[in-house]
Amino acid sequence: ETGVTQSPTHLIKTRGQQVTLRCSSQSGHNTVSWYQQALGQGPQFIFQYYREEENGRGNFPPRFSGLQFPNYSSELNVNALELDDSALYLCASSNRGRISYEQYFGPGTRLTVT
Amino acid sequence: SQQGEEDPQALSIQEGENATMNCSYKTSINNLQWYRQNSGRGLVHLILIRSNEREKHSGRLRVTLDTSKKSSSLLITASRAADTASYFCATTKWDNDYKLSFGAGTTVTVRA
Repeated sequence: ETGVTQSPTHLIKTRGQQVTLRCSSQSGHNTVSWYQQALGQGPQFIFQYYREEENGRGNFPPRFSGLQFPNYSSELNVNALELDDSALYLCASSNRGRISYEQYFGPGTRLTVT
Repeated sequence: SQQGEEDPQALSIQEGENATMNCSYKTSINNLQWYRQNSGRGLVHLILIRSNEREKHSGRLRVTLDTSKKSSSLLITASRAADTASYFCATTKWDNDYKLSFGAGTTVTVRA
């Protein structure tokens, strides 16, 4: 069973730029969620994708968008980057439909906006 | 705002001692989970307790849940240096059980 992978590991962008982060779900999982974790804080839910559609969204502006592909991999896109977007971005996969709420997290992408 | 709040924010103990951390939350929940995070990397699921359960064990971990007080505790017995990490509680609600709401975490340091 392969785990959740994310790329890139680290990224530095300038304010106003756009960024795309990628996530490959764990084998057999059909749902992916994205979280933002600022330094010293707990993760904050951004959104979740199930069967290639957004299935729920946290309190994040529309410039945060995502995609889920038929192979259940996913992208998080952030437009018009702001300094406050600097954070660790985590994706988590799970298998909706099973009686389990456990989510499997990737190692994260550390985004720095200057 | 975050659903859960952990207490204490930081904990330093000697190897072999027990570590206890608490989590309080604000609204009714479907379940409560504890996760561990090493050095700002990905989270690892430790244990899940459902709202109709009061206590669960997994290896050296013991979790309790008191829904009347909206609180949970995580006990790590016989701590090891490898237990050094940040620990987060996360809750899900009945109406959106896909969304994990995390607290700010407890940072545990186990001294050799």
